Amino acid sequence: GAGVSQSPRYKVAKRGQDVALRCDPISGHVSLFWYQQALGQGPEFLTYFQNEAQLDKSGLPSDRFFAERPEGSVSTLKIQRTQQEDSAVYLCASSTISGTSEQYFGPGTRLTVT
Amino acid sequence: AQTVTQSQPEMSVQEAETVTLSCTYDTSENNYYLFWYKQPPSRQMILVIRQEAYKQQNATENRFSVNFQKAAKSFSLKISDSQLGDTAMYFCAFMKHVRVNSGYALNFGKGTSLLVTP
Repeated sequence: GAGVSQSPRYKVAKRGQDVALRCDPISGHVSLFWYQQALGQGPEFLTYFQNEAQLDKSGLPSDRFFAERPEGSVSTLKIQRTQQEDSAVYLCASSTISGTSEQYFGPGTRLTVT
Repeated sequence: AQTVTQSQPEMSVQEAETVTLSCTYDTSENNYYLFWYKQPPSRQMILVIRQEAYKQQNATENRFSVNFQKAAKSFSLKISDSQLGDTAMYFCAFMKHVRVNSGYALNFGKGTSLLVTP
């Protein structure tokens, strides 16, 4: 079946612009995670959804970052007033809740803020 | 908080040889999962192998196996018969035990870049 998809794959934004990054999880996956991966680093957790409920947003770096999953499927990560330090690859992952813990990752969106 | 340390930023191995990637972690949890993920240049993160902390037997997936030392908090990955397609970034990751109706994030190390040469 189809895996996790993300769009756009690449995004260039001027400093101060708002951006929206989309994630389509695997159909039927209840859990959805967003991670931020800076160049040469491992991914770092941003936020977690169970269906439409955002259960953990402890990793969001500032109040400029906002995520939603209104219908429990597609999720959008929004970054307002982008800064250069926001440049990174944003990864989305989904998983079932059945006692398993495997997360399936999308290809990521590479955001470059100029 | 959990930390994951990968002390080898880069490694190289010849095709058909064996290589071991190191990972140590720090946690006060008793029940957890450990993972190795592979990230090829296309950037899609792929699960290689996982280990449940309560299992003493080391996990194996074809050419990939782990050496899990719970007391030492060590979780190394061995790749046997290395292939050119194994060239990628490898990330070690930790997750607290998942209970029904909850989920936990992965804590990743900084990664090891593995190059397999002909």
